Amino acid sequence: GESVGLHLPTLSVQEGDNSIINCAYSNSASDYFIWYKQESGKGPQFIIDIRSNMDKRQGQRVTVLLNKTVKHLSLQIAATQPGDSAVYFCAEILTGGGNKLTFGTGTQLKVEL
Amino acid sequence: SQTIHQWPATLVQPVGSPLSLECTVEGTSNPNLYWYRQAAGRGLQLLFYSVGIGQISSEVPQNLSASRPQDRQFILSSKKLLLSDSGFYLCAWSFNRDREQYFGPGTRLTVT
Repeated sequence: GESVGLHLPTLSVQEGDNSIINCAYSNSASDYFIWYKQESGKGPQFIIDIRSNMDKRQGQRVTVLLNKTVKHLSLQIAATQPGDSAVYFCAEILTGGGNKLTFGTGTQLKVEL
Repeated sequence: SQTIHQWPATLVQPVGSPLSLECTVEGTSNPNLYWYRQAAGRGLQLLFYSVGIGQISSEVPQNLSASRPQDRQFILSSKKLLLSDSGFYLCAWSFNRDREQYFGPGTRLTVT
């Protein structure tokens, strides 16, 4: 069936460097994507979202890029900080009732001092 | 502002025992409500969602059931727990017709 998956299960970066977390999706009908951050033992927190009619969206220190041609989504974190260490999930909205999200497996981001 | 509560935070239950996890949302009305399960080191699996009182949609066949007795209350239940029911259970809500989901703190369930 349709699925959303992440390329890299673990990503280690040095403090101050930029991080790029990638995600591939397979459902071309998805019209909305969300990135969530989940710290250990806590529920996911919304980071940023993007609609399928957009290629790029920027937030505070984060940028999401959407390439619909290759069905690829990325999250860029500028000047990565220790507090960014967490698991990051991409999720796609499947059209239909309830606005159901389909989550990818997740990428563990580790920030090294 | 809106807040979402889940309890208990942690639970250890023997195989074959019943389960009841509760989720409540404050500060909004008629939200969409969701139950997810997360296995260790894995992504989130949608179990149930509800768009209104008494309206429950099940995503996967399993040993669990959900109910929505009140507008802002969502309950996850089981009559007899299995070892495979262990995991991190997350409740989430969204504004009706909106897309961003807001997650609760989760319940860590260990079935022994």
